[in-house]
Amino acid sequence: AQSVAQPEDQVNVAEGNPLTVKCTYSVSGNPYLFWYVQYPNRGLQFLLKYITGDNLVKGSYGFEAEFNKSQTSFHLKKPSALVSDSALYFCAVRDSGNTPLVFGKGTRLSVIA
Amino acid sequence: DADVTQTPRNRITKTGKRIMLECSQTKGHDRMYWYRQDPGLGLRLIYYSFDVKDINKGEISDGYSVSRQAQAKFSLSLESAIPNQTALYFCATSEEGGTGNTIYFGEGSWLTVV
Repeated sequence: AQSVAQPEDQVNVAEGNPLTVKCTYSVSGNPYLFWYVQYPNRGLQFLLKYITGDNLVKGSYGFEAEFNKSQTSFHLKKPSALVSDSALYFCAVRDSGNTPLVFGKGTRLSVIA
Repeated sequence: DADVTQTPRNRITKTGKRIMLECSQTKGHDRMYWYRQDPGLGLRLIYYSFDVKDINKGEISDGYSVSRQAQAKFSLSLESAIPNQTALYFCATSEEGGTGNTIYFGEGSWLTVV
């Protein structure tokens, strides 16, 4: 069975600094990895996904994520954080079978001006 | 208009009452899902349906039932609500086939059981 771990409940970063939100996963076979963002009182919005190919995936709002197979990680990154990036971020994974996405517990990102 | 619409958006109900959350989508997707969000627990899958004739239990299906009335409609019922079912519920959809397909979420339904 697949699983996702987001080791940090909260990440604080100053505006303009780079940010990283961590995610590690466990699946049988090839992983299909996703990042979603949730703003207050809203549903989850898709940011980016890794299916195959280039290990560095670029997504919405300037975010990117790096797939590292040896470390089973898929960390979300942004070179320069904005206050408006403050939100709850979810990593999710599915295996190569016909199974639904499994989500991590979420990491709350707070960008301080 | 939203692609995935959930009703009601907010509901307070009493313990033991039956409550139904409805979901409709205009994306033309075959697959639909119900997730539950609790603080510190992330999103957990309740039920999912890959087409109108297909219903599958998720991680936390006990105390819930679902109905797939049409390709575009997927409802979640709590037959006898209890306080620990107080949560934010999300409906979601995705295309058929292709393990990389993205899931699209509704805006959520806040349910409080008192």
